[in-house]
Amino acid sequence: SQQGEEDPQALSIQEGENATMNCSYKTSINNLQWYRQNSGRGLVHLILIRSNEREKHSGRLRVTLDTSKKSSSLLITASRAADTASYFCATVAGGTSYGKLTFGQGTILTVHP
Amino acid sequence: NAGVTQTPKFQVLKTGQSMTLQCAQDMNHEYMSWYRQDPGMGLRLIHYSVGAGITDQGEVPNGYNVSRSTTEDFPLRLLSAAPSQTSVYFCASSWGLEASYEQYFGPGTRLTVT
Repeated sequence: SQQGEEDPQALSIQEGENATMNCSYKTSINNLQWYRQNSGRGLVHLILIRSNEREKHSGRLRVTLDTSKKSSSLLITASRAADTASYFCATVAGGTSYGKLTFGQGTILTVHP
Repeated sequence: NAGVTQTPKFQVLKTGQSMTLQCAQDMNHEYMSWYRQDPGMGLRLIHYSVGAGITDQGEVPNGYNVSRSTTEDFPLRLLSAAPSQTSVYFCASSWGLEASYEQYFGPGTRLTVT
């Protein structure tokens, strides 16, 4: 079963606007990762946030993690048409499941020029 | 570096046929894994390996076999293809001995089973 559930399933915005995607998960985690997938391509790693971190930044990306609510959000600021892609969160469970990365079903982001 | 490479890019099989999806990486990564991606879904883990000679099952291992004889290669074998195995398959690798690090993905193999 999917560990991460993402919301919304699809998001359509204009260039220059901010895009926020949310991810919820069910069990305790070691870390949470965000990936981007352009149509017909493999996934590209964006950012990793560990369970003892609350916020991380990378360029125009900002990720937050709330372990009490078992949720994370990805904010893309000043979006561009090139940001059009599917975005996935993925979790590594705590305990002894370090070999397994579990993905959510993704958010499809469309940025209109 | 070529990164993670996968062959073939596309494949059509008939039900009952077997085949091997190839995956190779040139980054000396210990951790390698196979996922399948179905429409409207995220990736689901099939098998993974934390080094040569060590493999383990993921979420959806039935119908698939793996082995890891070298650090570089991690082939995925479909023993007797079924239409339910129609999917896009991705191989990934990372430098750690677990999934807790940035994963590098290959471009994928699109498999259709008729």
